[in-house]
Amino acid sequence: SQQGEEDPQALSIQEGENATMNCSYKTSINNLQWYRQNSGRGLVHLILIRSNEREKHSGRLRVTLDTSKKSSSLLITASRAADTASYFCATAAGGAQKLVFGQGTRLTINP
Amino acid sequence: NAGVTQTPKFQVLKTGQSMTLQCAQDMNHEYMSWYRQDPGMGLRLIHYSVGAGITDQGEVPNGYNVSRSTTEDFPLRLLSAAPSQTSVYFCASSYRWTAGIGTDTQYFGPGTRLTVL
Repeated sequence: SQQGEEDPQALSIQEGENATMNCSYKTSINNLQWYRQNSGRGLVHLILIRSNEREKHSGRLRVTLDTSKKSSSLLITASRAADTASYFCATAAGGAQKLVFGQGTRLTINP
Repeated sequence: NAGVTQTPKFQVLKTGQSMTLQCAQDMNHEYMSWYRQDPGMGLRLIHYSVGAGITDQGEVPNGYNVSRSTTEDFPLRLLSAAPSQTSVYFCASSYRWTAGIGTDTQYFGPGTRLTVL
């Protein structure tokens, strides 16, 4: 079974609004990463947050991590049409040397 | 610096045929991995390698073999293709896997779209 589970599976908002997507995981982690995938392309790394961090920013992106709830959220502020993509969280499951991805959130920004 | 390259981009196989998907990176990365992506399933890890000569199984390894004879190359072999292996395959690499820390940014190739008839 997959380590990370994103919620919602799909999200549609108007341009300029903020988009929030969540990731829950099952076992302890060292870090959690978020990736973006444009249709038909490879994934692109967005941001990494370590287990001892609670919040991290990168441009219009804000990631939070709550290790007590085993969850993370990705906030995209002032969304743009170019943000339309699928977003995935990825974690290392326990002590295994594997980076495991969730099923993703499909984000659509409407003009 | 080409990053992660994958060949071919598209491939059609008949059931029972074998083939090798190529993956190469020029960033001197130690950690490499193969994923498959099916609609609604996200990415599932097939095999991974923490360095030349070392490989291990991921979540869905059955029907696939890998080897890592050099740091740069990490080919994925389909032994006897089945329709269930129709998918998009992604190769990825990152600098290294560090115990207690995990791995950092993964760089993905453009993918190989495979259809098995």
